[in-house]
Amino acid sequence: EEQLVESGGNLVQPGGSLRLSCAATGFISSNYDITWVRQAPGKGLEWISFISSSGSTTYYADSVKGRFTISRDNANNSAYLQMNGLRADDTALYYCARRKPLGGTLALDCWGQGTMVAVSS
Amino acid sequence: DIQMTQSPSSLSASVGDRVTITCRASESIRNSLNWYQQQPGKAPKVLIYATSTLQSGVPSRFSGSGSGTDFTLTISSLQPEDLATYYCHQTYTLPWTFGQGTKVEIK
Repeated sequence: EEQLVESGGNLVQPGGSLRLSCAATGFISSNYDITWVRQAPGKGLEWISFISSSGSTTYYADSVKGRFTISRDNANNSAYLQMNGLRADDTALYYCARRKPLGGTLALDCWGQGTMVAVSS
Repeated sequence: DIQMTQSPSSLSASVGDRVTITCRASESIRNSLNWYQQQPGKAPKVLIYATSTLQSGVPSRFSGSGSGTDFTLTISSLQPEDLATYYCHQTYTLPWTFGQGTKVEIK
């Protein structure tokens, strides 16, 4: 079964750092782009970052640009999100998802279960 | 950034009812529109991609239509397991953006 499993979420103080991991099982993650999407408590979905299959291309939403860094280790079938300068409004459930070409467009066809990040003093 | 606006924000319908959710993009996204279902306490899952193509395993009561800026998700006969929040999502250009969600409740 193709799965993504996130880990690394925690309670952290404002200004602190966390590194989230996204491990792929059941498929070769190096064949796919990976994205991170977050969901604040009781709110909707927000796309925040993308990394290409090779790792050569990355994009960030303005809300995290300059503070978050996405990376991947294809040898270990994993992707990561380094989060620095955390703020209260970064509190959310963080999902990693596989980006797949479907029907001439792109969709997120495989999601992890999410890892919770809480930023509070 | 392309803004995605869904309506309604929530709805309540009876089992067997036909349900329609609309999504409007602030500019043309051609057919680069996907729909996701998020059941309570679960991760989202893709229902429909490229506006109208049903993802494998999704019941045929779900359908999508539209193009350009206006899109629709239809549930032809609402079932109890359709209790969820539904999101539209454009992948035409970065940053990808989601609609704010439509919460579907069962009467």
